Amino acid sequence: AQRVTQPEKLLSVFKGAPVELKCNYSYSGSPELFWYVQYSRQRLQLLLRHISRESIKGFTADLNKGETSFHLKKPFAQEEDSAMYYCVLGTGSYIPTFGRGTSLIVHP
Amino acid sequence: NAGVTQTPKFRILKIGQSMTLQCTQDMNHNYMYWYRQDPGMGLKLIYYSVGAGITDKGEVPNGYNVSRSTTEDFPLRLELAAPSQTSVYFCASSYSAAYNEQFFGPGTRLTVL
Repeated sequence: AQRVTQPEKLLSVFKGAPVELKCNYSYSGSPELFWYVQYSRQRLQLLLRHISRESIKGFTADLNKGETSFHLKKPFAQEEDSAMYYCVLGTGSYIPTFGRGTSLIVHP
Repeated sequence: NAGVTQTPKFRILKIGQSMTLQCTQDMNHNYMYWYRQDPGMGLKLIYYSVGAGITDKGEVPNGYNVSRSTTEDFPLRLELAAPSQTSVYFCASSYSAAYNEQFFGPGTRLTVL
């Protein structure tokens, strides 16, 4: 069965500190991995997908098939990065698998 | 393009009342989804649809019903509202299956008292 694990429910850092939001997945096939972000009281929106291999708002994420991980990283956190982050696994099924989410709080 | 729209934005229901949450997308997406998001929790899938006339249950379908008569619309019906249905409801759509990006609506904040 497919599974996405985000081990941290809450991650609290100070402005300017590096950030790493962890995501591990379980899937035997070829996965499609996404990071979605939800700012306070707003809709979820796509932040990154692994096939695009781009940096959005300073965030990057690399798919590590050996470790089945897709961690989200940013070298210097900003206050506006405070949000809920969801790691999502896409497979050949109709339904993507969501992690439970990690709430990132960046303190001034 | 308006993307995915949802109405209403907020609603307060009394126990036992019924209502329909509306969801419309203008991207000609085949796949549509309803999720609920409880405080401090992630998203739970209620129902989904792979095309007009085709719907299926997700993880938490009890107390809800859906229909999909057109590609654009995917309403969610709550029958006999209960306090446990207090949540934020998000509708989403995607072009194809789970390999593709989902586009989310702004959400409906529902309180059942």
